[in-house]
Amino acid sequence: DQQVKQNSPSLSVQEGRISILNCDYTNSMFDYFLWYKKYPAEGPTFLISISSIKDKNEDGRFTVFLNKSAKHLSLHIVPSQPGDSAVYFCAENYGQNFVFGPGTRLSVLP
Amino acid sequence: DTAVSQTPKYLVTQMGNDKSIKCEQNLGHDTMYWYKQDSKKFLKIMFSYNNKELIINETVPNRFSPKSPDKAHLNLHINSLELGDSAVYFCASSPQGGSYTGELFFGEGSRLTVL
Repeated sequence: DQQVKQNSPSLSVQEGRISILNCDYTNSMFDYFLWYKKYPAEGPTFLISISSIKDKNEDGRFTVFLNKSAKHLSLHIVPSQPGDSAVYFCAENYGQNFVFGPGTRLSVLP
Repeated sequence: DTAVSQTPKYLVTQMGNDKSIKCEQNLGHDTMYWYKQDSKKFLKIMFSYNNKELIINETVPNRFSPKSPDKAHLNLHINSLELGDSAVYFCASSPQGGSYTGELFFGEGSRLTVL
């Protein structure tokens, strides 16, 4: 059973609109949740994280929301740009362990 | 300067062979990892080393043996390669303590194809 779930394998959004990527988890004992972005033939790159004691973290166009009661987090990208097209992984961090979700492929259409 | 570098980037080999993938990080991080991305694109942890000591060892066949000669290097040796070993293997590192906010820094990946 997956510890970190991303139930949408893909998402298409028009340029300039908001992209919302979702992630659900089962383990409540974590330190951080992180979002990673991955282009083809490259390694994942860190995008933004949120501490377990926060419910929101914002960095430029990227905002992550954490709802601990629902065991759910989301990444908002606004406005979306064609360069945002990539696979997005959410990952749970506790101690020195990182558990990744299966990823959501985002396509931003011009 | 590449922060986490892996070699080789592509590796094609026959079943039964032994092969190694090397990883080096120049970030001064204490912890290094090997992840496997399988055909379904899941990123699964295999091993983690902290200052040359093994701290995470997931259920991985004994044919896989990590070696960390120093904290900047974590190599992966695979014996008796099988078809199911075909995957992309990612090395990663992370800092600990201080301003740590949970980032993992990944290499570009090594695509292993076993024929």
